[in-house]
Order: sequence, then C-alpha cells, then structure tokens
Amino acid sequence: GENVEQHPSTLSVQEGDSAVIKCTYSDSASNYFPWYKQELGKRPQLIIDIRSNVGEKKDQRIAVTLNKTAKHFSLHITETQPEDSAVYFCAASPLGGYNKLIFGAGTRLAVHP
Amino acid sequence: ETGVTQSPTHLIKTRGQQVTLRCSSQSGHNTVSWYQQALGQGPQFIFQYYREEENGRGNFPPRFSGLQFPNYSSELNVNALELDDSALYLCASSNARSGNQETQYFGPGTRLLVL
Repeated sequence: GENVEQHPSTLSVQEGDSAVIKCTYSDSASNYFPWYKQELGKRPQLIIDIRSNVGEKKDQRIAVTLNKTAKHFSLHITETQPEDSAVYFCAASPLGGYNKLIFGAGTRLAVHP
Repeated sequence: ETGVTQSPTHLIKTRGQQVTLRCSSQSGHNTVSWYQQALGQGPQFIFQYYREEENGRGNFPPRFSGLQFPNYSSELNVNALELDDSALYLCASSNARSGNQETQYFGPGTRLLVL
C-alpha cells in the first residue's frame, strides 16, 4: 500500500547549523510532495512543496530535493534558528484525481541557542 | 494563518456516543479533506469531499462519515465512538482541479477525547 517513511524521528542541532530530514515514498505514481511544520498545539503549516517535474526547489533558508528514481525526497534547512524548532512532516500525494496526502511520522527538530 | 476554521476546539465524549465536527473552508476553495492525527504521529487521511461528493476515502470504517455543503463547508461524523478515536481531527481545504494535486491548508483542529 501507500507509505511514506521519514527519518530521523528526532534531530537536535546547534543554532546556525544545517538540518536535513529525509523521506521515502512507496507509490511511484506520487507527483506532489509538500512539507509541513507543526508547532506544539498548532495546525500544520506548509513551508515548501515540490512537484515531480522538478528536482530541487529553494525558498530562502529552506530547500527540498526530489529523486524520483529512488523515490526519495529531502528537506534542507540552513542557518537554523531557535524558532525553527517544531515537528516537520513530509507527505506524498499519489496521482489519481484527488488530493489525498500520505504523511510521514514526523521529525521533531530542536535548535539549541 | 489560513482562513480555515474548525469547531469545536476541544470535545470530550464517552465510548459509544456520536460526535460531529465542523470545518469552514478557505474562501475560494471547493475541496475539504479530513485527517486524524493521533498523539506523536502524522495525520492519517480519512476522506475528501469535492463539490459535495465524497471523492476518496482512507482506511477508516463506515462509522466515519461526512458531508459537504453548497458553501463548501464540511462535517465529519463519527458514530459509536471508541477509545482509539481520541485524536486531533484536522480538516484541510484546497481548490482542487481534476487530476491535479493542489496545496492543502489546514485548520487548527478539534481535539477529541473519548473516555
């Protein structure tokens, strides 16, 4: 069935360091890959997304890369700040006429000053 | 913040009861998806409504049902509540067009506790 695996489950970095979160999806027909940030008690918020016709996308300190052959995509955060601390979820949306999102289990990122 | 709202914010029910959760989609959006997020896990897709029709369903039993209204707001109904139904229920709205995956914007969620 459709599945998204996400690693690591927790990540601790020093302020200013980079953080990388990796996801693997099972459905090769997936063609849309959003990343959401969820702070404690808050709603998931979209931070960046990528479609299968693009290999890389960047927005300021955040970038996402996609390897369709390996069914693998990653989130890169550079120059981390304490306010980046949150749970990050990757998701994949299989092609099929509607917007179902399959989420990974999440990565808890802690950025220490 | 998105324009997606949900009510109520919190709810406590007992096993066997029924519950209705509500979601107002963002202006201009025609699609509402519902997700269940258990503590410490990623959201799990329940179902999606597009133009008042169920347009896809995840691995949830029939006691999970829904509606979408002409103004594109939506309800999630859960009958015969079980302890495992305790979770954060999130709705997400989007302006889906057939065959395309569009950005989903989440509401703040309803936290349901079943005792």
